[in-house]
Amino acid sequence: DAEITQSPRHKITETGRQVTLACHQTWNHNNMFWYRQDLGHGLRLIHYSYGVQDTNKGEVSDGYSVSRSNTEDLPLTLESAASSQTSVYFCASSDGGGGKETQYFGPGTRLLVL
Amino acid sequence: QKEVEQNSGPLSVPEGAIASLNCTYSDRGSQSFFWYRQYSGKSPELIMFIYSNGDKEDGRFTAQLNKASQYVSLLIRDSQPSDSATYLCAVNSGYSTLTFGKGTMLLVSP
Repeated sequence: DAEITQSPRHKITETGRQVTLACHQTWNHNNMFWYRQDLGHGLRLIHYSYGVQDTNKGEVSDGYSVSRSNTEDLPLTLESAASSQTSVYFCASSDGGGGKETQYFGPGTRLLVL
Repeated sequence: QKEVEQNSGPLSVPEGAIASLNCTYSDRGSQSFFWYRQYSGKSPELIMFIYSNGDKEDGRFTAQLNKASQYVSLLIRDSQPSDSATYLCAVNSGYSTLTFGKGTMLLVSP
């Protein structure tokens, strides 16, 4: 069955380290998204991609980067981890365009920055 | 800044009752509206989507959309304890992106 996976599921890191969170989908979806979810803020969009070599900044992109070299993967990199980036990170994907597509979410990665 | 507002709750209802969850949005041009359910510690999962004014029913769930009032709601009939979760309202905010509300926690007591 097609699915979307994230790794690692849990990560503890130190302030200033570079961290990469992986997202892999087998839906063959064009669109991929990264969100963070924090108490009191809900889901906020970090970066998104509509296809290979395409990346776009979301609402809270500072300190994060993504690259899309193939359809299946959109890794999220924290260039220099900060305690404010402690959060739960969700990857999602959807197909098509125009705004009526359903986004399917991965299981999430819990990141703790000490 | 496009905004989606939800009452954070918790909304407490007894088993068998109708739960009514509400959402307002700021972008009058929004065309697509989604309701996701999120259990504690899990990822969001889609319950329903609605594009046109009026009601859309799927089993025990009914989504209602009023674009003039910029209001979308989710009704859950015959609420069950297994419906206890946080419900996220999401609104299309440009091409294929979504803006999410902060969610309403629903508690269904046996």
